[in-house]
Amino acid sequence: KAGVTQTPRYLIKTRGQQVTLSCSPISGHRSVSWYQQTPGQGLQFLFEYFSETQRNKGNFPGRFSGRQFSNSRSEMNVSTLELGDSALYLCASSMGQGPVDTEAFFGQGTRLTVV
Amino acid sequence: DQQVKQNSPSLSVQEGRISILNCDYTNSMFDYFLWYKKYPAEGPTFLISISSIKDKNEDGRFTVFLNKSAKHLSLHIVPSQPGDSAVYFCAASAFLVNDMRFGAGTRLTVKP
Repeated sequence: KAGVTQTPRYLIKTRGQQVTLSCSPISGHRSVSWYQQTPGQGLQFLFEYFSETQRNKGNFPGRFSGRQFSNSRSEMNVSTLELGDSALYLCASSMGQGPVDTEAFFGQGTRLTVV
Repeated sequence: DQQVKQNSPSLSVQEGRISILNCDYTNSMFDYFLWYKKYPAEGPTFLISISSIKDKNEDGRFTVFLNKSAKHLSLHIVPSQPGDSAVYFCAASAFLVNDMRFGAGTRLTVKP
């Protein structure tokens, strides 16, 4: 079956702009989580959506938001971009029904560069 | 706050030898731990996991050890192979796998 698909793969934006990233999970998976990866910081949890509802949220400012559609596809939006938002954004899909006997499957990520 | 820490940014070992990657965590609520492997230009892929009710889990060349009292886990790769060269992330979760906290990663280089 198809894996997790993230679009676009690469993106260059200027400070102050906003950006929307997309993630299509594995068919049948209802949970989508978003992570930001920067050098030295590892992967930091942004938020998780399950059945169109935000279920968990990490410690990021309100400029970072997301949503999930009825087909489980998810979008992440970052408004008023800052240089520090340059990172690899990864999404992971899973069944999402815990306990943790299933593992999350990651997409290849979207590399965002803010100039 | 870094709830999961990988204090070694890099590790280099000779092919055939053992690779030991370490991870420490601070949140005693974590009860499930995972290791992910990441190659350049690819998303992380799941490697091995362990729940807090165990202290060891083995899968082929990969073994994860958990010391709950020390809040420490380690990944052992024996024997190490050049194809194991990648960045390894340790992750921990309190309940749902989709709310993982990751360490900063350790870049493993296995030399032929």
